[in-house]
Amino acid sequence: DAMVIQNPRYQVTQFGKPVTLSCSQTLNHNVMYWYQQKSSQAPKLLFHYYDKDFNNEADTPDNFQSRRPNTSFCFLDIRSPGLGDAAMYLCATSSQLVKPQHFGDGTRLSIL
Amino acid sequence: SQQGEEDPQALSIQEGENATMNCSYKTSINNLQWYRQNSGRGLVHLILIRSNEREKHSGRLRVTLDTSKKSSSLLITASRAADTASYFCATLTQGGSEKLVFGKGTKLTVNP
Repeated sequence: DAMVIQNPRYQVTQFGKPVTLSCSQTLNHNVMYWYQQKSSQAPKLLFHYYDKDFNNEADTPDNFQSRRPNTSFCFLDIRSPGLGDAAMYLCATSSQLVKPQHFGDGTRLSIL
Repeated sequence: SQQGEEDPQALSIQEGENATMNCSYKTSINNLQWYRQNSGRGLVHLILIRSNEREKHSGRLRVTLDTSKKSSSLLITASRAADTASYFCATLTQGGSEKLVFGKGTKLTVNP
């Protein structure tokens, strides 16, 4: 019954080793978002896709990239993870930008 | 930069008591949303209140919005141990590209 699915739930990577996090949705929503959430902090929007249109936040580091090959899937690529990138990464979807967002359970990323 | 600020940062109550959390924000909004996050999980949308609305109810939840004071409150009545979670307010900015900006959250503990 899960509607926004993130894999894996936990990911460990080495400093500087590229990593990809994935998100899929069964809601057929137009918008998919990626957030970074560090411990006891607010989720911070990295970027979002409205259909195929990519919208990057001004303060998102170039190290973070995203792909949306189709409506259902969206990927977060971290090209060269640093220790500061250790966080929970949350994927969310919504039918429109003004509508409530549906979140996955996140991927907790650890950097060794 | 953060738009919403929740108050208090942490709240501990007994089962059956009411819990009130407040949120203040800085700029004009399209709507304000409240989300719940259980430990290690994604966010769950609770309630959305539009900028032209003053009060909204959903089950044991009551949300108020005062746009003149740029503040909102979330009241959970007759709390249960299962309400233990972090609660975030999020404002949808107005004009230009709409995006949801989260506050730091209130950590609610309901003791049985």
